[in-house]
Amino acid sequence: GQQLNQSPQSMFIQEGEDVSMNCTSSSIFNTWLWYKQDPGEGPVLLIALYKAGELTSNGRLTAQFGITRKDSFLNISASIPSDVGIYFCAGPPNAGNMLTFGGGTRLMVKP
Amino acid sequence: SAVISQKPSRDICQRGTSLTIQCQVDSQVTMMFWYRQQPGQSLTLIATANQGSEATYESGFVIDKFPISRPNLTFSTLTVSNMSPEDSSIYLCSVPGLYGYTFGSGTRLTVV
Repeated sequence: GQQLNQSPQSMFIQEGEDVSMNCTSSSIFNTWLWYKQDPGEGPVLLIALYKAGELTSNGRLTAQFGITRKDSFLNISASIPSDVGIYFCAGPPNAGNMLTFGGGTRLMVKP
Repeated sequence: SAVISQKPSRDICQRGTSLTIQCQVDSQVTMMFWYRQQPGQSLTLIATANQGSEATYESGFVIDKFPISRPNLTFSTLTVSNMSPEDSSIYLCSVPGLYGYTFGSGTRLTVV
């Protein structure tokens, strides 16, 4: 089935640093979604991307839909302790409506 | 976006028993999805629940182990049957929306 390769698996950074994570796919996606999951909660949508080349921001978060439609990245600028959590990329395969998820990036921020 | 109420939020169950997880959505949706998230892992789709028809299960998941009900367009249940410690996971329901997919807060299941 469809697979999304997400990297890095984990990051431990100092508060105030910028963070970048990315996802790649072996096949084309028409939509890229970025989620954050806090402990004990379900994933919450951060940014949705619908067009190749699209660059979208949500506060300190910026995400881009790769021009080849096979990749996406998420940047977090000036990280703060509440950015701690697991970040997932996800997308619906062309032939279906359900989501395929990347393996997740666990972010830890040191105050 | 839709608001999903999922319960229970957590449970500790004896092996061999069954647990039914409920998801209530505040609006009518055609499709609901059930995911499993094993400890330290990403989310894996269990099945798609459509109202008025049988659920569609993904490879590796079967109806006898994870029976699903979808009695109307706002509600669904997932049962984890004849549980073993390997079933210890977070189970989440999800619905598609205008800007993405919304998730319930999850059910953390521990089987002892």
